[in-house]
Amino acid sequence: RKEVEQDPGPFNVPEGATVAFNCTYSNSASQSFFWYRQDCRKEPKLLMSVYSSGNEDGRFTAQLNRASQYISLLIRDSKLSDSATYLCVADSSASKIIFGSGTRLSIRP
Amino acid sequence: SQTIHQWPATLVQPVGSPLSLECTVEGTSNPNLYWYRQAAGRGLQLLFYSVGIGQISSEVPQNLSASRPQDRQFILSSKKLLLSDSGFYLCAWAQSGSGEQYFGPGTRLTVT
Repeated sequence: RKEVEQDPGPFNVPEGATVAFNCTYSNSASQSFFWYRQDCRKEPKLLMSVYSSGNEDGRFTAQLNRASQYISLLIRDSKLSDSATYLCVADSSASKIIFGSGTRLSIRP
Repeated sequence: SQTIHQWPATLVQPVGSPLSLECTVEGTSNPNLYWYRQAAGRGLQLLFYSVGIGQISSEVPQNLSASRPQDRQFILSSKKLLLSDSGFYLCAWAQSGSGEQYFGPGTRLTVT
């Protein structure tokens, strides 16, 4: 079983829609969680950290469910510029994090 | 502010040739440093990480090696490249104790 698993997609949604991704992690000792965004042929960029209480940044909301070992990312009022691959991340140790394989999102006009 | 540099941006090398990719970080001290590889259409594979000068942890046994000769310099090397070494090589840094990693622009390597 992979340490961090994501639905690879692609998710193809119309502009303005709300879309949600889930991600599961296998290491119950993981303490830190993140979502990264990666545009085609570019480096990943940190989108947001995921806190136990959940957190929101504009149109983006991230939540953590420790009991079920999954994290989620919700994007509201999606824009064309949100098209990218979204990478789910969980820490594996104090110095290492594990990336999921990513979920591709495509927003259509 | 912190910046991370990688070069070259693209590289085409024949099978059996050596490799040296360099990564440097500015604006921070004693960062954790990481090398990842991403094959086309695939996820990120952690190759090496370092928590200090001369301290290298290898994640995947292969024909690659890494060195950290200075606090903010991380080098990925190979003596003889294989076709399977082709991919997108990414360097990243993080503050010690933090899981938030910041990536350089990457080197796209094609082994022919």
